[in-house]
Amino acid sequence: AQSVTQPDIHITVSEGASLELRCNYSYGATPYLFWYVQSPGQGLQLLLKYFSGDTLVQGIKGFEAEFKRSQSSFNLRKPSVHWSDAAEYFCAVGKIQGAQKLVFGQGTRLTINP
Amino acid sequence: DTAVSQTPKYLVTQMGNDKSIKCEQNLGHDTMYWYKQDSKKFLKIMFSYNNKELIINETVPNRFSPKSPDKAHLNLHINSLELGDSAVYFCASSLRDSVFGYTFGSGTRLTVV
Repeated sequence: AQSVTQPDIHITVSEGASLELRCNYSYGATPYLFWYVQSPGQGLQLLLKYFSGDTLVQGIKGFEAEFKRSQSSFNLRKPSVHWSDAAEYFCAVGKIQGAQKLVFGQGTRLTINP
Repeated sequence: DTAVSQTPKYLVTQMGNDKSIKCEQNLGHDTMYWYKQDSKKFLKIMFSYNNKELIINETVPNRFSPKSPDKAHLNLHINSLELGDSAVYFCASSLRDSVFGYTFGSGTRLTVV
C-alpha cells in the first residue's frame, strides 16, 4: 500500500527566505505525486504534480518540486516566501485503483515571520 | 462559477441525529470522492463514485451512506451521529483515468455535540 511521510509538522521561516518542505513516499510502482496547499478554512488547492518526464516540476505561486526516485522523495521548494504562503501543505501519492486514489501525508504547517 | 461546491459549510448537531452533506461539481468530471479530515488535519479517503457506481469504499462505519444521483452530484448521509464523527468532510472530483489529481470543495465542518 502506498504511504506518505512529511517529517516536519510545523516549519517557521522569515519572509523572503527560501523554503523546502520534505515529503517521502512508499509505493511499489512509479508514483503519481502531488503537493496541495490548504489555507485556513479553505479546501485544498493543487500546487503541482508529477507523473512522468522531467523530475523537476514547476507549479503555481512560484513553487517547484523535485522527484528523486533513489530517495523516494518529492520535496517542495520556493526561493523566497511571501506572508501569503502561510498555510498547511500536503504531499500526496496517487495510484489508479478503480479510480485515482490519493493518499495524503499528515501535512506541514508553514508559518511566516515578518 | 464554483467548480466543486459543498453544502452546508458548517453543521452543528446533536449526537444521535441524522444529517446529510451535499456536493456538486460543474467540471464535467466523472468521478467524485469523499475525504474526512480529522482534528490533526489527517486526510483519509472514504468513498469514490464513478458515473453513479461505487468504486472505492474504505473501512467506514455503515452509518455513512454515500449517494450519487448522477455523475455531477455526490451526497453523504450520516445516521446516528457520534462525537467522533466531528471533522471536516471534503468532496473532490476528477476524471477517472486521469493522473492529474483532484479538485476539492471547500469542506463541511461537522461538529457533533
